Amino acid sequence: GENVEQHPSTLSVQEGDSAVIKCTYSDSASNYFPWYKQELGKRPQLIIDIRSNVGEKKDQRIAVTLNKTAKHFSLHITETQPEDSAVYFCAASAWSDYKLSFGAGTTVTVRA
Amino acid sequence: EPEVTQTPSHQVTQMGQEVILRCVPISNHLYFYWYRQILGQKVEFLVSFYNNEISEKSEIFDDQFSVERPDGSNFTLKIRSTKLEDSAMYFCASRGTQGVYGYTFGSGTRLTVV
Repeated sequence: GENVEQHPSTLSVQEGDSAVIKCTYSDSASNYFPWYKQELGKRPQLIIDIRSNVGEKKDQRIAVTLNKTAKHFSLHITETQPEDSAVYFCAASAWSDYKLSFGAGTTVTVRA
Repeated sequence: EPEVTQTPSHQVTQMGQEVILRCVPISNHLYFYWYRQILGQKVEFLVSFYNNEISEKSEIFDDQFSVERPDGSNFTLKIRSTKLEDSAMYFCASRGTQGVYGYTFGSGTRLTVV
């Protein structure tokens, strides 16, 4: 099955700086890569996603890049704000079943 | 915005007891999922359900687990004889036929087995 590795496990950044989280996946059949933000005790919320026919996608301060050859994808948050503090999960799935395999999560702390 | 609703939000049960976790998916969605998250760990896939049958299940989803869509609106997860290690947050999710843009998680049920 799919195995998704995520790094780092914790990330502390100064407000206004950028944050980068990296994930790798193992199954070449995976072709959909969402990122979720989870605040304490809450549900995972989709913040951005990318499909395998696209190398990069941006939505305001958030961007995701995908390298299918190397089987890795990354989340970039620019101009971080205190409300960006949360746990971020990457995930991978194939369009055949949309079953999500999650990474272990990154706890992001934005220092004011 | 349509939501996936889960009840109860928190359930405490004695080890060995049966529990039923309930979910109301988004009304026009056709694919349903259960995931669980042990405290401080990643979200793990349990089972997917489509056309009134299980389409895939993980190793976690053993004989103690079952799912059902009893009335066309609710989607339930039953754990027959709970163990301490079943303590986790359980998330229901659903999606429509439009692809993963319709993939929505519920707010979760925190199950505590004592």
